Amino acid sequence: NAGVMQNPRHLVRRRGQEARLRCSPMKGHSHVYWYRQLPEEGLKFMVYLQKENIIDESGMPKERFSAEFPKEGPSILRIQQVVRGDSAAYFCASSPLLAGADNEQFFGPGTRLTVL
Amino acid sequence: AQKITQTQPGMFVQEKEAVTLDCTYDTSDPSYGLFWYKQPSSGEMIFLIYQGSYDQQNATEGRYSLNFQKARKSANLVISASQLGDSAMYFCAMRELTNTGNQFYFGTGTSLTVIP
Repeated sequence: NAGVMQNPRHLVRRRGQEARLRCSPMKGHSHVYWYRQLPEEGLKFMVYLQKENIIDESGMPKERFSAEFPKEGPSILRIQQVVRGDSAAYFCASSPLLAGADNEQFFGPGTRLTVL
Repeated sequence: AQKITQTQPGMFVQEKEAVTLDCTYDTSDPSYGLFWYKQPSSGEMIFLIYQGSYDQQNATEGRYSLNFQKARKSANLVISASQLGDSAMYFCAMRELTNTGNQFYFGTGTSLTVIP
């Protein structure tokens, strides 16, 4: 059973370009979470999605950031007009359909975004 | 208020000794989960151990145990018989069951160095 997959693992963008980060959850998982980890910091929640629905985006910056989890295909975190402060590791995690307080989230390896 | 507090930015331990990494949490929900993750220099997040808020006994997983003191809202990780491969960042996390689903909160991490 393949784990959570994220690609690319490393992404370099110039200021003003767009960054697209992809996350394929574990098989059978329909809940996806995105987190951002700035250098020397812990993970910060960004957004929680189920298939075709954004459930909680309270951690997402109001501008330039968007996320989707279509019926088919991976979840996408999109950052428009990137700035140097967007440089971070972006982690995706997935959990099973019946998510409860005791359910673990399975993390992907992360995408390291560097903005030049 | 911080949901998860890890007060030890860095810790050192002699190989084969035990070490305790501190974690306190803040929640008013009766149902929550507590997790510890390891992040080696390669960057991935590795699940170590889980403790549910209703669990009567402390969780154990091999050399890892969680010292759960509910009244004090602490969930310290104990690593016994430290190995060189234990050198990594360690993150404490809490999962709350909110009205929109689940939300994870992470601490800022503790960097553990095992000395030969």
